Amino acid sequence: SQQGEEDPQALSIQEGENATMNCSYKTSINNLQWYRQNSGRGLVHLILIRSNEREKHSGRLRVTLDTSKKSSSLLITASRAADTASYFCATGYSTLTFGKGTMLLVSP
Amino acid sequence: DAGVIQSPRHEVTEMGQEVTLRCKPISGHDYLFWYRQTMMRGLELLIYFNNNVPIDDSGMPEDRFSAKMPNASFSTLKIQPSEPRDSAVYFCASSLGTSYHEQFFGPGTRLTVL
Repeated sequence: SQQGEEDPQALSIQEGENATMNCSYKTSINNLQWYRQNSGRGLVHLILIRSNEREKHSGRLRVTLDTSKKSSSLLITASRAADTASYFCATGYSTLTFGKGTMLLVSP
Repeated sequence: DAGVIQSPRHEVTEMGQEVTLRCKPISGHDYLFWYRQTMMRGLELLIYFNNNVPIDDSGMPEDRFSAKMPNASFSTLKIQPSEPRDSAVYFCASSLGTSYHEQFFGPGTRLTVL
């Protein structure tokens, strides 16, 4: 079974709005990673948050981690059409297990 | 570095044929991963190597699938014989380590088995 599950499955917003995606997982982790996949491309790493961290920022990205709830969120602020992609969370110790992703559509 | 290189980018074959997918990891990366992505099952880890040695192949679906890494700069994933249900996008990824390390993905090979 998948370790991480993203919510929602799909999200449609306008340019300039914020996009929030959530990830829930089942077992304890030492880190959680977020990846982006543009249509027809491979996955690209966005950010890694360790289990002892609660929040991390990278440019317009903000990731939070709540290990007590076994959940994480990815916030993209001031979204752009170029942010249109699928976003995956991945967890694991020796290997990564990916969720099925959130498809984000940002309309101009 | 050119990143992870995969070939071919697209492969269309008929059921029963042998298929070989190729991957060149990023130089210096000790770990190489093969994944399969489908709409139904998402992204699944098939097998991974550390320093050219297969570590975990529990994700390989059947004996029809095999993977090799003869040297640090080349790996193959072979399906023999191929079946329509093998149709998927196959990704290769490499990294410096496992925990706390990001994985770098190739562009994928889209396989269609007729």
